[in-house]
Order: sequence, then structure tokens, then C-alpha cells
Amino acid sequence: AQTVTQSQPEMSVQEAETVTLSCTYDTSENNYYLFWYKQPPSRQMILVIRQEAYKQQNATENRFSVNFQKAAKSFSLKISDSQLGDTAMYFCAFITTYGSSNTGKLIFGQGTTLQVKP
Amino acid sequence: SAVISQKPSRDICQRGTSLTIQCQVDSQVTMMFWYRQQPGQSLTLIATANQGSEATYESGFVIDKFPISRPNLTFSTLTVSNMSPEDSSIYLCSVSNRGLNNEQFFGPGTRLTVL
Repeated sequence: AQTVTQSQPEMSVQEAETVTLSCTYDTSENNYYLFWYKQPPSRQMILVIRQEAYKQQNATENRFSVNFQKAAKSFSLKISDSQLGDTAMYFCAFITTYGSSNTGKLIFGQGTTLQVKP
Repeated sequence: SAVISQKPSRDICQRGTSLTIQCQVDSQVTMMFWYRQQPGQSLTLIATANQGSEATYESGFVIDKFPISRPNLTFSTLTVSNMSPEDSSIYLCSVSNRGLNNEQFFGPGTRLTVL
């Protein structure tokens, strides 16, 4: 079974500092995508960053970057220069690439609530 | 990216009644999904809405309780039937297109409270 685990239910960080959210996953597949989604209090799910498993280079999007360790099945999110607007629940998610056995379904972790303090 | 709207955005319903939630996308999409999210929790997939055929339900969810329609490639509905307070949740619609990085876009959600 494919699973995604986020072991940090809650985290906090001071504004302008850096924080890292952890995510591990389990799969026997070799081709897949990993995502981090952000859900602020407005509850709108927003894609933060995406990583293709076949790419060794870690994805970056402005202040957001990932540390993708395929062998360890680890996919952490680093937020630099944290801003008050980063306060949200963050979900790590996994999907296998489309193929005969794939259904296109995302598998989500439990979520990490991040509070950015002024 | 796809722009997704959901109606209603929130509702308060009485036990035993039913509510139909609509999901509208601004472009044709291959796949549409319905999720449930209880307060402070992660998302749980209810079903995949299939265009022109019956939805594919996840374990623990049945068609009688959560009937789904998808008449075309831009629209789907989820009905929560014979509601109880345990059905109080946020219901989210999401969409994706095969071959486009597997990215899923989410609607704003419907907050349902059952009294």
C-alpha cells in the first residue's frame, strides 16, 4: 500500500526565519510525483511545489524548496524568510504516474499546521 | 490552471435531509474527484466522478449515501443523503488532466453543518 506520513502535527516559526516540514512516503513504484499543498484558513487548497521522482534536482519556487531523497523516501519542504501569510495547514501528497494500474488519485499525508509568529 | 467553483460555499442542514453540491470547471478536464475533510484533518477521497458512467467509490463510501453525477467534462454534483451530524465536514471537488504533470486543482470547498 502507498502511504504518506507527516510526523509533525503542528509547528511554529518566527517571521523571517526558516522552517522545514517533514514528509516520508512508502511505495514500490519507481515513477511518481510528489506535491506540497497549502491550505490557509480560507480552506482553498493551493499547490506550493511539485517534484518529479525521475528528477534528481530539488524543486524550488521562490521561498519554497524541497529536499527530495528518493532512496530514503523523504520529501521535506523548506520555507525561507517565513511570512505571516504562510500560516496554513500544509499537506504532502503523492501520485503515481499514469499507467495501466494508476487511477490518478492523490494520496495525502495527515497535514502539518504551521503558525508564523510576528 | 483550472478555475473551479463550488455551490453552495456553506450550508446548515437538518438531520435526515439531503444536500447537493455542485462543482463547475472553466475548462474540460479528464478527471474529477470528491473529497471530505473533517475539521483539522486531512482529505479523504470519497469517489472519482466518471463522465457518462457510475462513479468509482473508495472503501467506506457508498452510492446510496453519496450519489454522484458527471454529465459532461466540466460539471459534477455530489449529494450527501439522509444527513446526520457525522456528515458535518468540508467537501472539496478537485480536477486533473492526464499527462499534465498529474497536478490536481481544488475548488474552494463547501462547509456543511448538520444539526
